[in-house]
Amino acid sequence: AQSVTQLGSHVSVSEGALVLLRCNYSSSVPPYLFWYVQYPNQGLQLLLKYTTGATLVKGINGFEAEFKKSETSFHLTKPSAHMSDAAEYFCAVSEVNTGRRALTFGSGTRLQVQP
Amino acid sequence: DAGVTQSPTHLIKTRGQHVTLRCSPISGHKSVSWYQQVLGQGPQFIFQYYEKEERGRGNFPDRFSARQFPNYSSELNVNALLLGDSALYLCASSFGTGTETQYFGPGTRLLVL
Repeated sequence: AQSVTQLGSHVSVSEGALVLLRCNYSSSVPPYLFWYVQYPNQGLQLLLKYTTGATLVKGINGFEAEFKKSETSFHLTKPSAHMSDAAEYFCAVSEVNTGRRALTFGSGTRLQVQP
Repeated sequence: DAGVTQSPTHLIKTRGQHVTLRCSPISGHKSVSWYQQVLGQGPQFIFQYYEKEERGRGNFPDRFSARQFPNYSSELNVNALLLGDSALYLCASSFGTGTETQYFGPGTRLLVL
């Protein structure tokens, strides 16, 4: 069975500082990995995804993530935080080679950006 | 183009009642998935439908059921509501069941009293 662990339910950074949100996954088959962002009272918006190929994935709003198979990690980074980045971030995994593409989500990390 | 739409946006029910939530996928998308997001947690998979057939089911009781219509829209039904069913219900659509991205709607917030 697949699972996702997000270390740190809350992360606080200063505006302009590096953002690092951690995600580790467990999967018995090669995974597809996703980061979604959720603003208050809204649905989920895809930031980026890894399926195959290049392990460093660039997404929207300046975010990127690196797939590290040996560490079973897919951490999300952004060089310089902006106030508008304050939101809840979810890492998710789906399993390749299955007929079902259900996403398994982590419990989320709430990012606060201090002025 | 319109994104995934869901109705209603908010709903208040009492224990034991039944509820129907509706979802319209992005035009051209044939797959719809439903997720439950309890406050403070990540979304949990309930169902996936593709071409009107159930393609996957999460660990939810039989009180939860769904269907997909010929126009690819979908309904999620929950019977005999419990307080613990209070959550944000998210619908996601994708073109198929492959590697395509799932696009989420704004959700329906259900409160069971």
